[in-house]
Amino acid sequence: AQTVTQSQPEMSVQEAETVTLSCTYDTSENNYYLFWYKQPPSRQMILVIRQEAYKQQNATENRFSVNFQKAAKSFSLKISDSQLGDTAMYFCAPQQNAGGTSYGKLTFGQGTILTVHP
Amino acid sequence: EAGVAQSPRYKIIEKRQSVAFWCNPISGHATLYWYQQILGQGPKLLIQFQNNGVVDDSQLPKDRFSAERLKGVDSTLKIQPAKLEDSAVYLCASSLGEGLGNQGETQYFGPGTRLLVL
Repeated sequence: AQTVTQSQPEMSVQEAETVTLSCTYDTSENNYYLFWYKQPPSRQMILVIRQEAYKQQNATENRFSVNFQKAAKSFSLKISDSQLGDTAMYFCAPQQNAGGTSYGKLTFGQGTILTVHP
Repeated sequence: EAGVAQSPRYKIIEKRQSVAFWCNPISGHATLYWYQQILGQGPKLLIQFQNNGVVDDSQLPKDRFSAERLKGVDSTLKIQPAKLEDSAVYLCASSLGEGLGNQGETQYFGPGTRLLVL
């Protein structure tokens, strides 16, 4: 079973500044996907960004980017130009590879609560 | 495009009572997931359906929880009898289910059902 560690239970940042959320995970697989999901106070979980472990280039989506270190099994999320709407709980979630009895199961970390202050 | 629908949004019951949750996934999505999210934690997968077949129910407490997805569309999750520790938010999600093992697919989440067991 995969284990996921998000070592920062809470983070805060000023509007327009940059913040980085950390995530480490354990896996024995070589190719897999990793996801960051965001859960705002309204509680509807939405995808922020995804990374395929096979690709060396770090994924970016507008103000969101990742720093993926495959050997270190580290997958951090950087939010640039933070906005008030970024206030949410953020979850790191590696996906088990297909094969055997696995159908692409996501394992979520404990989450990091991010608060953006005006 | 309509999102994942869930009902009810809130439910309060006493221990040993039964309760049922309903989920209607995004049209055309073959894969449906039920997660349990205890306050302050990340979601935990309870059961995953591919069309109307179960592909992963390894973390479903089968002595009290059951789920079905008749006709491969909407789904119900039932708890009977409920325990205090079942108090949580129950999230339903769906994904296209096109690729092998749902690799890299975005999961779309519903608003969740908040259950309180007294």
